[in-house]
Amino acid sequence: EVQLVESGGGLVQPGGSLRLSCAASGFTFSNYWMSWVRQTPERGLEWVANVKQDDSAKYYVDSVKGRFSISRDNAKNSLYLQMNSLRDEDSAVYYCARGNKIAGDGIYFDNWGQGALVTVSS
Amino acid sequence: EIVMTQSPATLSMSPGERATLSCRASQSISIHLAWYQQKPGQAPRLVIYDASTRATGIPARFSGSGSGTEFTLSISSLQSEDFAVYYCQQYHYWYTFGQGTNLEIK
Repeated sequence: EVQLVESGGGLVQPGGSLRLSCAASGFTFSNYWMSWVRQTPERGLEWVANVKQDDSAKYYVDSVKGRFSISRDNAKNSLYLQMNSLRDEDSAVYYCARGNKIAGDGIYFDNWGQGALVTVSS
Repeated sequence: EIVMTQSPATLSMSPGERATLSCRASQSISIHLAWYQQKPGQAPRLVIYDASTRATGIPARFSGSGSGTEFTLSISSLQSEDFAVYYCQQYHYWYTFGQGTNLEIK
């Protein structure tokens, strides 16, 4: 059974930093793209970042470029999201998601973690 | 950015009825469309990908159709566990989601 378990969420002040982790199990982690997707009641679901199987390619939504960094450790079956210079609008539930990508096509998200709540507030 | 528009925002149905949810893309996305189901307090769950392929473990009463800019998710005979919010997502050019359709019990 595929399991994705996020951790590291919490309350942080504007301008602060937070690192989310996602522990994966039940599948060969190194075979899959991995992603972060966030959700708020106001803006709905928003893709945040993707990382390729071997960590060689990373992509971000424009609003987090230069502030967030996605990474993975295949030896530890873990995905990370380093979030710096946090803003109020980054407050959301952050989901770790497994990406399914057919060559030449984009990614859909076939398994999701339970989510980690990030609150940016003074 | 490709904008995904779902309709209706809320759909009130009774168990046993057929539900039809719509999703429109602001430009052609071929068949690069997924549908997700989300229940309160839970993560989204993949229902359909490539516009019409059911995900693992999804019952046959769920079906997807469409290509280009117009897509439909149909649920042939609603069960109690089907009442949830449904989101469409395009993966043709980057990734964007619709705002969701709340399928509620009438």
